[in-house]
Amino acid sequence: DAGITQSPRHKVTETGTPVTLRCHQTENHRYMYWYRQDPGHGLRLIHYSYGVKDTDKGEVSDGYSVSRSKTEDFLLTLESATSSQTSVYFCAISGSAGGGTGELFFGEGSRLTVL
Amino acid sequence: SQQGEEDPQALSIQEGENATMNCSYKTSINNLQWYRQNSGRGLVHLILIRSNEREKHSGRLRVTLDTSKKSSSLLITASRAADTASYFCATASVIQGAQKLVFGQGTRLTINP
Repeated sequence: DAGITQSPRHKVTETGTPVTLRCHQTENHRYMYWYRQDPGHGLRLIHYSYGVKDTDKGEVSDGYSVSRSKTEDFLLTLESATSSQTSVYFCAISGSAGGGTGELFFGEGSRLTVL
Repeated sequence: SQQGEEDPQALSIQEGENATMNCSYKTSINNLQWYRQNSGRGLVHLILIRSNEREKHSGRLRVTLDTSKKSSSLLITASRAADTASYFCATASVIQGAQKLVFGQGTRLTINP
């Protein structure tokens, strides 16, 4: 398995509270991604990073922010959680130092419930 | 916006039979990828086919791509109980080297012993 660790794996929080999910990789991959998975929608890209301090928005970025201060960590923050952000969040990485083959490696997911 | 549409949404077959899943998409792509997801787990990459390729094989997997019809298919031959999972196609555009994937809703495959 690719060295990707997501934390926390499960979280229950209340509407209006801030939440930060962490993705940590030990693979030295350049690109990191945050997806959310919801029934009936498949996986949708929230934000991605193409290097330290370099991030961009994905398909469903409203209500989310990200930060990447070092290669191995990519943080996803919900500034004020809403019930519509109840979901399973997946971090993924791609692009090894040698360029990679284009495939993404996924973490095990973080299940977030907003009450 | 959902790029990939998968068909069927669910498929149940007997062990040893072949399973075929189809994916259609709407816009131009750099490549198309297939992933598998076991219940409660992350996605695992199966195979990538580039826009200038028509067919690719990996073990018991065969993927085809028809860019004129904007469609792809995944064939799993000689299915096994362990193949029970959800399968997703994802179309890729490459932005600054990042693979921006747009996933379909998936096909839930059940292999009956």
